[in-house]
Amino acid sequence: GQNIDQPTEMTATEGAIVQINCTYQTSGFNGLFWYQQHAGEAPTFLSYNVLDGLEEKGRFSSFLSRSKGYSYLLLKELQMKDSASYLCAVSHTLTGGFKTIFGAGTRLFVKA
Amino acid sequence: NAGVTQTPKFRVLKTGQSMTLLCAQDMNHEYMYWYRQDPGMGLRLIHYSVGEGTTAKGEVPDGYNVSRLKKQNFLLGLESAAPSQTSVYFCASRPTKLKYRGRNEQYFGPGTRLTVT
Repeated sequence: GQNIDQPTEMTATEGAIVQINCTYQTSGFNGLFWYQQHAGEAPTFLSYNVLDGLEEKGRFSSFLSRSKGYSYLLLKELQMKDSASYLCAVSHTLTGGFKTIFGAGTRLFVKA
Repeated sequence: NAGVTQTPKFRVLKTGQSMTLLCAQDMNHEYMYWYRQDPGMGLRLIHYSVGEGTTAKGEVPDGYNVSRLKKQNFLLGLESAAPSQTSVYFCASRPTKLKYRGRNEQYFGPGTRLTVT
């Protein structure tokens, strides 16, 4: 079956670095996404990994290890506006089209 | 471009009532999705569509029906609402039909907050 695990909550300090981990089991893997979701709003796309390694985009980086079924999202120079939920999602190629399974999300609290 | 829009934004229903949620996208996307989001459970796929005139069941389809008569619209119907259907409903669309190893991120609408009493 398909399963995604990520921590429920994390707290970090403004200006610091935080790493949000995600582990997954899926068949027909076709990429891993990270989305950001502020309270009361829709998810918005942050990053995409389909090959092993690190993808860097400004203050945000995402890492993937397909053999370990593991990814992390790294946020540097934390700002108060980074307080949000971060959703790990895996795309898979089962019959019927490309579907995406979402984790429950990690709520990040950034404190001053 | 308006992107993905949803109507209505909020709704309160009584048990047994019916309603339709409308999702519209102006990006010419092939794939469209309906999710529900409940506290601690993430986004769960209700139904999805891979093109005009097609629909398919997701993880939690019971109690819902959908239609995609036009490419830009995807309707979600609740025939007889139940309190268990109280949730936030998100519609999403995706630009390509089949893009192996390419970015396939979804674009989400603002959500519909539904309460069934």
